[in-house]
Amino acid sequence: EVQLVESGGGLVQPGGSLRLSCAASGFPFSSYWMTWVRQAPGKGLECVANINPDGTQKFYVDSVKGRFTISRDNTKNSLYLQMDSLRVEDTAVYFCTKGILGYLALDNWGQGSLVTVSS
Amino acid sequence: VMTQSPDSLALSLGERATITCKSSHDILYRSNNKNYLAWYQQKLGQPPKMLIYWASTRASGVPDRFSGSGSGTDFTLTISSLQAEDVAVYYCQQYYDTPPTFGQGTKVEIK
Repeated sequence: EVQLVESGGGLVQPGGSLRLSCAASGFPFSSYWMTWVRQAPGKGLECVANINPDGTQKFYVDSVKGRFTISRDNTKNSLYLQMDSLRVEDTAVYFCTKGILGYLALDNWGQGSLVTVSS
Repeated sequence: VMTQSPDSLALSLGERATITCKSSHDILYRSNNKNYLAWYQQKLGQPPKMLIYWASTRASGVPDRFSGSGSGTDFTLTISSLQAEDVAVYYCQQYYDTPPTFGQGTKVEIK
């Protein structure tokens, strides 16, 4: 059974930093694209960043470019999102997701980790 | 940009629900003849669940009352006979470009 478990969320002040982690199990992690998706309170879904299986290709939504960094450690079956210079508008639940083989349709989702940016 | 319609709909149990999704550009990849379009269902307080990928392929375990159709820029999700457990917000997503983008969501309720 595929499992994706996020951790690292919490309350942070504007301008601060947080690092989200996602522990993956139940599938060959090193073979799949992975994506972080966020959902602001009461709002829709937004793909924040994704990364290819070997970690050499990374893509970001414009609103987080230069502030967020996606990475992975295939030896630990783990995905990360380093979030710097956080803004109030980054407040959201952040989901770790797995793509179908070779593509970015998201067939498995974690339960999400809440990030609140507030003074 | 992915645009869904309607934003919400309320139907009686057993009725047919139809949600449309329009992409601002063609998401049919000619080399493999596949439309890079997925549909998701999100129930209150839960993460989204993939229903459909490649525009019309049902994900594992998804009831056959859910179906997807369309090609190019115009797509449809149909629930053939609405059940109480189908109350949710539905999202389309294109994965032709990266990062992928979602529609704004359609809320489905029981009348």
